[in-house]
Amino acid sequence: GDSVTQTEGQVALSEEDFLTIHCNYSASGYPTLFWYVQYPGEGPQLLFRASRDKEKGSSRGFEATYDKGTTSFHLRKASVQESDSAVYYCALSPDSNYQLIWGSGTKLIIKP
Amino acid sequence: DPKIIQKPKYLVAVTGSEKILICEQYLGHNAMYWYRQSAKKPLEFMFSYSYQKLMDNQTASSRFQPQSSKKNHLDLQITALKPDDSATYFCASSQDSGNTLYFGEGSRLIVV
Repeated sequence: GDSVTQTEGQVALSEEDFLTIHCNYSASGYPTLFWYVQYPGEGPQLLFRASRDKEKGSSRGFEATYDKGTTSFHLRKASVQESDSAVYYCALSPDSNYQLIWGSGTKLIIKP
Repeated sequence: DPKIIQKPKYLVAVTGSEKILICEQYLGHNAMYWYRQSAKKPLEFMFSYSYQKLMDNQTASSRFQPQSSKKNHLDLQITALKPDDSATYFCASSQDSGNTLYFGEGSRLIVV
């Protein structure tokens, strides 16, 4: 079945560090890929999405590129801030399906 | 103003009792969902509804029953509550299948 794998359960960085959170997926065809962010006490909210191979999604300095060849959608940010502390979820939507397939989430901790 | 309203925000219930979690969305969306989040499972899909019809059910227990009285309304009835049901329950909606999910702020349930 379809699946999403986030290898890092937690990432701890200092302000202005470079961030990479890895996301690999397994699905047939061209699923839509998403990054969601969840701040403490809130529901997840969309960061951005991508639907085609080589498409780049970006928002708030975060970006990820849909790579069908490596089945990846890694999240990157050049310089993190304390306000980026949150849990980040990678997810995919198979064609015309109501259920998103979610990764296990990566908790980002920014040390001041 | 929040576009997805969940009530109550916090709830303490006694083991064996029954509770209803309320969700209304004002985004004009056709699909609504329930998710559960606990320490054991980061984000767990429960149900999806489209045009008030059940599309997918990933909840093994019949103690969890969604109820849709209107297209923008999807409540969750939980009967015979157990301490393991303690979690934050998130309602979400989307325009249609495969689209971006918008989440409410959650209802935090503690069963004692």
